[in-house]
Amino acid sequence: SQKIEQNSEALNIQEGKTATLTCNYTNYSPAYLQWYRQDPGRGPVFLLLIRENEKEKRKERLKVTFDTTLKQSLFHITASQPADSATYLCALDADNDMRFGAGTRLTVKP
Amino acid sequence: DTAVSQTPKYLVTQMGNDKSIKCEQNLGHDTMYWYKQDSKKFLKIMFSYNNKELIINETVPNRFSPKSPDKAHLNLHINSLELGDSAVYFCASSPRDTRTEAFFGQGTRLTVV
Repeated sequence: SQKIEQNSEALNIQEGKTATLTCNYTNYSPAYLQWYRQDPGRGPVFLLLIRENEKEKRKERLKVTFDTTLKQSLFHITASQPADSATYLCALDADNDMRFGAGTRLTVKP
Repeated sequence: DTAVSQTPKYLVTQMGNDKSIKCEQNLGHDTMYWYKQDSKKFLKIMFSYNNKELIINETVPNRFSPKSPDKAHLNLHINSLELGDSAVYFCASSPRDTRTEAFFGQGTRLTVV
């Protein structure tokens, strides 16, 4: 069966450090992969998208990698700040079928 | 202007009742979704519509019936509500042919008592 796994339910790091979140998938051939941020009581907000033929994508302090051989994506937040504390979700899409991982709750401590 | 709007934001109702949640998007997107987020925060797809046509219909009880009167609207009707239906329901939309991000509504917190 298809699975999307985010390896950590929760991740705590110190301000200024790099946060690395992992998304693994099985029995899936996504055309592209997305990362979202969700704050309590709000809907998910899009952060980055990476296509199957791309290895890496960057946006300001965010970086995403996509390894279709390993079936894995890594999401990095450099120079993390307390305001980065939220739940981060990876999503796989294959032709209008967009599915999410369970999310990783990131807490950045000052 | 709100891109994806859901109403109501909160809904408290008794078991056995029938209720609807409305969703509208003003982005001109072709694809709309309904997701359910349970108490463990897992976001699970329920339905996907493209240009008013049902694309994805996950294993959802047939008490849940989506209705898309036009491509800007995707409403969710729930019959005979059960305690287990309590969750936050999110509507979302995305373009079909340009693989870009999905926009989510603010969610509807449904509580069945």
